[in-house]
Amino acid sequence: DVKVTQSSRYLVKRTGEKVFLECVQDMDHENMFWYRQDPGLGLRLIYFSYDVKMKEKGDIPEGYSVSREKKERFSLILESASTNQTSMYLCASSPRGGVSYEQYFGPGTRLTVT
Amino acid sequence: AQRVTQPEKLLSVFKGAPVELKCNYSYSGSPELFWYVQYSRQRLQLLLRHISRESIKGFTADLNKGETSFHLKKPFAQEEDSAMYYCALSGFGGYQKVTFGIGTKLQVIP
Repeated sequence: DVKVTQSSRYLVKRTGEKVFLECVQDMDHENMFWYRQDPGLGLRLIYFSYDVKMKEKGDIPEGYSVSREKKERFSLILESASTNQTSMYLCASSPRGGVSYEQYFGPGTRLTVT
Repeated sequence: AQRVTQPEKLLSVFKGAPVELKCNYSYSGSPELFWYVQYSRQRLQLLLRHISRESIKGFTADLNKGETSFHLKKPFAQEEDSAMYYCALSGFGGYQKVTFGIGTKLQVIP
């Protein structure tokens, strides 16, 4: 079974704090993704990475950065958390090939910024 | 720009009734289309993809390039089908980002 794990299920942070969300996959997937999931807005792509040290902006990268130093780990960083970043954050991974493969999702981290 | 439109946020049907969840897309190249499902308190997971042309849990979806649609259908709804359904689009190839729709909540009434 593909396993995608996220460091926390629930997280509460204060405005202005630096926040790290960690994601680890154990299937040697090349691609990794960070989304936020909000009611009425669906899943929106924040950043994705198709290789170690590679990153691409998604649709809503503002206020976020990412790090991928190892193939299995993809970190999402909120440099200075704000209340509008309160959301459910989903990490996903997929293999890379000639076609787009399915994405395997983590359980999500519900972040509340107060 | 690629876009996925799911016009219904909520769809309520009675058990045994047919289900159709609508998905329209906008993409300049050759797309790959997916349906993902999220059951209550579970992870988001793939339901089906257009290139597989298979039926999963009684659901099917046909890619209609002329109408740029990828509607999800099931002839007889079951209570266990109640979930959040997301349509997703990707360009062809492993370096492409995936765009999701806003999702449709399917509620099957006993």
